[in-house]
Amino acid sequence: GQNIDQPTEMTATEGAIVQINCTYQTSGFNGLFWYQQHAGEAPTFLSYNVLDGLEEKGRFSSFLSRSKGYSYLLLKELQMKDSASYLCAGLDSNYQLIWGAGTKLIIKP
Amino acid sequence: GAVVSQHPSRVICKSGTSVKIECRSLDFQATTMFWYRQFPKQSLMLMATSNEGSKATYEQGVEKDKFLINHASLTLSTLTVTSAHPEDSSFYICSARDLGADNSPLHFGNGTRLTVT
Repeated sequence: GQNIDQPTEMTATEGAIVQINCTYQTSGFNGLFWYQQHAGEAPTFLSYNVLDGLEEKGRFSSFLSRSKGYSYLLLKELQMKDSASYLCAGLDSNYQLIWGAGTKLIIKP
Repeated sequence: GAVVSQHPSRVICKSGTSVKIECRSLDFQATTMFWYRQFPKQSLMLMATSNEGSKATYEQGVEKDKFLINHASLTLSTLTVTSAHPEDSSFYICSARDLGADNSPLHFGNGTRLTVT
């Protein structure tokens, strides 16, 4: 079956770095997305990886290893506003998104 | 960047009435739009895939006669919750993908908070 696994909750300190891991099993693979979702709001797009390696976008970076079925989202210089849920989603061979349950990130001062 | 507009953002209705939610892609054409539902502290659940000019594809367990989807144009899809009940209270979110852009992500509307009293 298809499955996306990511930790339920993580806690980090303001100004620090945090890495949110995601492992995936999909029927075929057409890329992996990371979204940020604040409570009560719709998800917003953060990154898309389809090739192996690290993609950097400001304070956020995303990494993909297709051979390992593994991705991570790296957040640097954490700010209080980064407190949110981070959703990992794999795109399968039918271009359907398979969603993880999300990782709730709590930032402490 | 691509924008998806969803309206209304918040609606309160009485049990038994119907509510229509609109989802528009503002600067791209979307032959396919997706409707999600999210209950508190739960992940997004795909309800249906809306295809322009044809019938929507519903996920298992989603009643097609209760959640009517119309995708009449390349930029507009609507979800109508018919004969709403309190258990239909949820956060409904639409999304669309710009198939004209390589490796484009899903773009989400801002969601509709539905409360049925």
